[in-house]
Amino acid sequence: GNSVTQMEGPVTLSEEAFLTINCTYTATGYPSLFWYVQYPGEGLQLLLKATKADDKGSNKGFEATYRKETTSFHLEKGSVQVSDSAVYFCALSGGSNYKLTFGKGTLLTVNP
Amino acid sequence: NAGVTQTPKFRVLKTGQSMTLLCAQDMNHEYMYWYRQDPGMGLRLIHYSVGEGTTAKGEVPDGYNVSRLKKQNFLLGLESAAPSQTSVYFCASSYVPKETQYFGPGTRLLVL
Repeated sequence: GNSVTQMEGPVTLSEEAFLTINCTYTATGYPSLFWYVQYPGEGLQLLLKATKADDKGSNKGFEATYRKETTSFHLEKGSVQVSDSAVYFCALSGGSNYKLTFGKGTLLTVNP
Repeated sequence: NAGVTQTPKFRVLKTGQSMTLLCAQDMNHEYMYWYRQDPGMGLRLIHYSVGEGTTAKGEVPDGYNVSRLKKQNFLLGLESAAPSQTSVYFCASSYVPKETQYFGPGTRLLVL
């Protein structure tokens, strides 16, 4: 079955630091890959997505590239802000499975 | 557009009580989902629906029932609440399974 493994948190960074959150996946066929973000007390919202190999998703300074050869979709941002503090979830959707398969989430805290 | 809304936002139940969580979406999405979020577990799919009048089981369906009588509404019922059902419940909807899911703000449920 499908599975997503993402780096365990929590991650604590200073403002303007570089961020990488690793995500690898197992899936049959050609899944779509997503990063969702959950701010404190809120629901999840889509941050970015990629639907085929070598696609790069980007939004709000965050980027992730769909790497089929390494089955990875790592999230990066060059300079984080305090407002980026949230939980980040990597997810995939694919095959005959209707559901999103989520990683366990990574809590990011950015200090001023 | 309101997107996906959930009621109630917070509820406390005693063991054995019943309740219904309501999810509504105004995006004309065919697919709707109920997830639960527990610490360290990510999100797990409880039930989902591929259209009005249909429902199907997800990963963790035991103790829950659902109904989709209208396209815009997806109800999650707990017939006899148990402390293990203490969780945050999220509803989501999408046009098609491999595309973005839009999440509601969540319902926090505490079962004593």
